[in-house]
Amino acid sequence: DAGVIQSPRHEVTEMGQEVTLRCKPISGHNSLFWYRQTMMRGLELLIYFNNNVPIDDSGMPEDRFSAKMPNASFSTLKIQPSEPRDSAVYFCASSIGQGNSPLHFGNGTRLTVT
Amino acid sequence: AQSVTQLGSHVSVSEGALVLLRCNYSSSVPPYLFWYVQYPNQGLQLLLKYTSAATLVKGINGFEAEFKKSETSFHLTKPSAHMSDAAEYFCAVLFYNQGGKLIFGQGTELSVKP
Repeated sequence: DAGVIQSPRHEVTEMGQEVTLRCKPISGHNSLFWYRQTMMRGLELLIYFNNNVPIDDSGMPEDRFSAKMPNASFSTLKIQPSEPRDSAVYFCASSIGQGNSPLHFGNGTRLTVT
Repeated sequence: AQSVTQLGSHVSVSEGALVLLRCNYSSSVPPYLFWYVQYPNQGLQLLLKYTSAATLVKGINGFEAEFKKSETSFHLTKPSAHMSDAAEYFCAVLFYNQGGKLIFGQGTELSVKP
C-alpha cells in the first residue's frame, strides 16, 4: 500500500504566482480531504470530496483557492494568485468514507510564498 | 454542533512517567472520536479510535484512551513515556452524518525529558 501521495513536498514561490498542489489518494478510498496546518490556526479542513464530488468547501479561505478531483485517483488544490499568508503545510487525506473509517494522511506539501 | 477541545497546548513529562493528554468533545449524537500523532515533518498517523464497542480503547505504541460520556472526555494516556513519544497529538471528532468530515482539536505538543 503506497499510502496517500502528495507532490511536491516543498514549494517556494513568489507572491502572485499560481501554485498547484497534487494528491493521489489510496486506491479504493472514495473520500478525499484537503487540510491546511499553520501554527496560528492549527489544522483546518479546507474542502472534502466524496466520490469525486465536492461535499463541503466552506473551509476554503478565499476565491483564490480552488480544488478539483477529476477522477478517483487524483486531486489538485490551486492557489491563484498566491500570497505570503498562504504559507503553510497542506495535507491531503483519504478514507473509505464509511462510518468511522479513519483518515489516512499524506506527508504534506510545505508551501512558502515570499 | 460537534467540536473537540484539547486542554494544554504543551505537555512535558520525564521519561518513564505517565502521559496524560486531555480531550473534551461536544456532540449532540454519539460521537466517533480519534487520536492522531504527528512527528516532525510528517503527516498524521492514527493512534486509536473510539467506535462505541468499548469505552477503553487501546492503540499503537502503548497508548490508550477512555471514553467517558458523563464527562464528555476522551483523554489519551500511556503508563510510561519514552523519548520516541515526543510529537504532537491531535484529538478529532467525526461528523459521520456529513460523509465523514473530521474536525481536529488544536493539538498538544508532548515533550519527553531524559
